[in-house]
Amino acid sequence: EAQVTQNPRYLITVTGKKLTVTCSQNMNHEYMSWYRQDPGLGLRQIYYSMNVEVTDKGDVPEGYKVSRKEKRNFPLILESPSPNQTSLYFCASAGTSGDYYEQYFGPGTRLTVT
Amino acid sequence: GQNIDQPTEMTATEGAIVQINCTYQTSGFNGLFWYQQHAGEAPTFLSYNVLDGLEEKGRFSSFLSRSKGYSYLLLKELQMKDSASYLCAVIDSNYQLIWGAGTKLIIKP
Repeated sequence: EAQVTQNPRYLITVTGKKLTVTCSQNMNHEYMSWYRQDPGLGLRQIYYSMNVEVTDKGDVPEGYKVSRKEKRNFPLILESPSPNQTSLYFCASAGTSGDYYEQYFGPGTRLTVT
Repeated sequence: GQNIDQPTEMTATEGAIVQINCTYQTSGFNGLFWYQQHAGEAPTFLSYNVLDGLEEKGRFSSFLSRSKGYSYLLLKELQMKDSASYLCAVIDSNYQLIWGAGTKLIIKP
């Protein structure tokens, strides 16, 4: 089954404790992206990657890191989480061939930083 | 700056028709998406428009007017399961997706 998986689905942590949210897709997509979603603000892009070893900042990259060492994986790293990073996070992937790219989203990771 | 506007919330009755509007001001335009998102779940793809006009897909249709920077999503024969948020997103000149904040649609029996 074609899918994007994220882990963990729920995470409660404390300020300053490094964490990683994993994202993996099995569709051989070149494009992957991380979003955060907050009430009233919609989806905001954190980082994206057009292919292996190619990553770029989105709209809200501060406080986050990513890496793209393999095509299927795109982990999101919070080196020193803060309460303002409490949010719902989505990973997405898309193929870049064809007339447009439909993004497939993972199930989301709800992060709470206390 | 880039901006996408949608109504925050709409209410409609089961079996009726509802139109959700989206206006956009972006640096360039390479297409517009509509996604559906049920509460606490991931967005799922509904439609894509790049040329002016109406695209029909079952009970859902999406319209685009590039000259007006305007799109709408039309939902017919509303069902309770259509209660969700509907997200409008535009691909700009750099092929980045700009997202609206979404419209929460409430369906009443």
